[in-house]
Amino acid sequence: DAGVTQSPTHLIKTRGQQVTLRCSPISGHKSVSWYQQVLGQGPQFIFQYYEKEERGRGNFPDRFSARQFPNYSSELNVNALLLGDSALYLCASSLAVTGGRNEKLFFGSGTQLSVL
Amino acid sequence: GIQVEQSPPDLILQEGANSTLRCNFSDSVNNLQWFHQNPWGQLINLFYIPSGTKQNGRLSATTVATERYSLLYISSSQTTDSGVYFCAVISNFGNEKLTFGTGTRLTIIP
Repeated sequence: DAGVTQSPTHLIKTRGQQVTLRCSPISGHKSVSWYQQVLGQGPQFIFQYYEKEERGRGNFPDRFSARQFPNYSSELNVNALLLGDSALYLCASSLAVTGGRNEKLFFGSGTQLSVL
Repeated sequence: GIQVEQSPPDLILQEGANSTLRCNFSDSVNNLQWFHQNPWGQLINLFYIPSGTKQNGRLSATTVATERYSLLYISSSQTTDSGVYFCAVISNFGNEKLTFGTGTRLTIIP
């Protein structure tokens, strides 16, 4: 079975532009979470979606938005890019909403976003 | 929110050595996971271990929930064990989302 897949793997944008990142969860998983990992730090939670509904949001500005599609894949959108948005963006999937007992997260390889 | 601290921040070992990585958390948790991030950025789930002890090959983990810490043991280290190890938890009183620790960077020298 395929794991969590993310695209693109690398992306270079300039300040003020908009970007869309894509994620396909493991087959059968209904929950997708997005994390931002700045160099040298642990991942920081951005969003969680379960059954196409937002189930949690981290401490990120409204420039960040996401959605989940009927096939459980997800997109993360970032508007008006800033230099500080440069990071590795990770997508994770789980069977159900993270927070429940026995819920393990499985991560994709990430999208490396560079904002110039 | 919950604080998660890992130690040591960096560890350099010869191939074949054993190591112990520690994760301290500031609040009671209902979910604790250990991850290995390889040099290419891929996060691999090693253990789901909110309490007790588990073993998987050369790796084992123990969580003492009442004392708010978890340990990851790596025996007979191999160069492929190099990377950053993260502990991540969900607090019983938080927003039910995984909070990652500061990480331990492990370098195994041939």
